[in-house]
Amino acid sequence: NAGVTQTPKFRVLKTGQSMTLLCAQDMNHEYMYWYRQDPGMGLRLIHYSVGEGTTAKGEVPDGYNVSRLKKQNFLLGLESAAPSQTSVYFCASSYRMRGTDTQYFGPGTRLTVL
Amino acid sequence: DQQVKQNSPSLSVQEGRISILNCDYTNSMFDYFLWYKKYPAEGPTFLISISSIKDKNEDGRFTVFLNKSAKHLSLHIVPSQPGDSAVYFCAARGVDSNYQLIWGAGTKLIIKP
Repeated sequence: NAGVTQTPKFRVLKTGQSMTLLCAQDMNHEYMYWYRQDPGMGLRLIHYSVGEGTTAKGEVPDGYNVSRLKKQNFLLGLESAAPSQTSVYFCASSYRMRGTDTQYFGPGTRLTVL
Repeated sequence: DQQVKQNSPSLSVQEGRISILNCDYTNSMFDYFLWYKKYPAEGPTFLISISSIKDKNEDGRFTVFLNKSAKHLSLHIVPSQPGDSAVYFCAARGVDSNYQLIWGAGTKLIIKP
């Protein structure tokens, strides 16, 4: 099992460019999440999904869109990148949010917006 | 305002001694607390958790203590080993925020040989 994988690992964008980050999990988890981590701060939830075809806003959703067309994939899109979106992005998955199940994380994507 | 605070950015401990990592929170609606460990260039991995109805949970070398009246939890690692050197995140689950996890900023633990 690969667990949670993220593509790409690194990316540099210019302001105004768009990109999509791909997250894939092979654990048949219902819940998937996108977080960002900035220096000196904890992980902050951007968007999450409770199942195929569903998405919901987290703590910091502005400037991002997501889609969950297949259960195993969760895509994070930046339509018009801004320097404030320079961050490390982590995807995670779990069986269910309300239970005590663990969130499993991918290795992260380091994004720099110039 | 940060609801989950880890006030020590870093901690250095001698190998074999006890490591104590601390976490404070402000929201009394948190019902579950978790500790994650993160190595460089990897995602966080789950370490140990505790329900708000308990005050202690132990798993091998790792013990988490919860003091609800002080809104404080701590992670004890005994004995500390070189492989424990990592960043440790405290996270809390909020009943009033649709069970989302709120994360502390992390504490970098360095185990000295």
